[in-house]
Amino acid sequence: GAVVSQHPSRVICKSGTSVKIECRSLDFQATTMFWYRQFPKQSLMLMATSNEGSKATYEQGVEKDKFLINHASLTLSTLTVTSAHPEDSSFYICSAQRPLGPDTQYFGPGTRLTVL
Amino acid sequence: ILNVEQSPQSLHVQEGDSTNFTCSFPSSNFYALHWYRWETAKSPEALFVMTLNGDEKKKGRISATLNTKEGYSYLYIKGSQPEDSATYLCASTKGSSNTGKLIFGQGTTLQVKP
Repeated sequence: GAVVSQHPSRVICKSGTSVKIECRSLDFQATTMFWYRQFPKQSLMLMATSNEGSKATYEQGVEKDKFLINHASLTLSTLTVTSAHPEDSSFYICSAQRPLGPDTQYFGPGTRLTVL
Repeated sequence: ILNVEQSPQSLHVQEGDSTNFTCSFPSSNFYALHWYRWETAKSPEALFVMTLNGDEKKKGRISATLNTKEGYSYLYIKGSQPEDSATYLCASTKGSSNTGKLIFGQGTTLQVKP
């Protein structure tokens, strides 16, 4: 299967700082990537769709100014949590889908964010 | 059903037992149902994507069925092994076309004891 990487795998930061998470598709070009987050004992919840060369689209209830998404190339999407607060502490995970391929989504291993 | 729901939440079985989990999803505006296997500290691994009512798919000792009319899917593991221990996620594609957006259930965590 395809490989999607994420960096960092774990980050601890102080309240008020910004944190950038990278998602890379290593063996195919992804025009579209997706960002999810998971709070304890809950499902993975879709946050936004990252589109290469255009603005991201956000799900209802997700603040676009807080969660900045940049899809700078066909293999890289970044999620920046701006002015992070303890309530932003969560598990963030990205996925990518092969263009014109099967419907399978390939996931990264995720990033655990802890805001102190 | 408005959300994707999985049961049971967790399951403990002995090595060699066969087991199955259930995923319920909205049957209206259905496009595809996905099953993933997720081990701790690893990426979720795609097991199956199913789109047609009555679909049955198999991968080694793992198989899945799909009923889109009533909105459920079963995942079966035959002769469970300790390496099958993981969380099994199902997800329905949001919308009636290939949007790529997935709505996940909470998962079923399987522990297989040697």
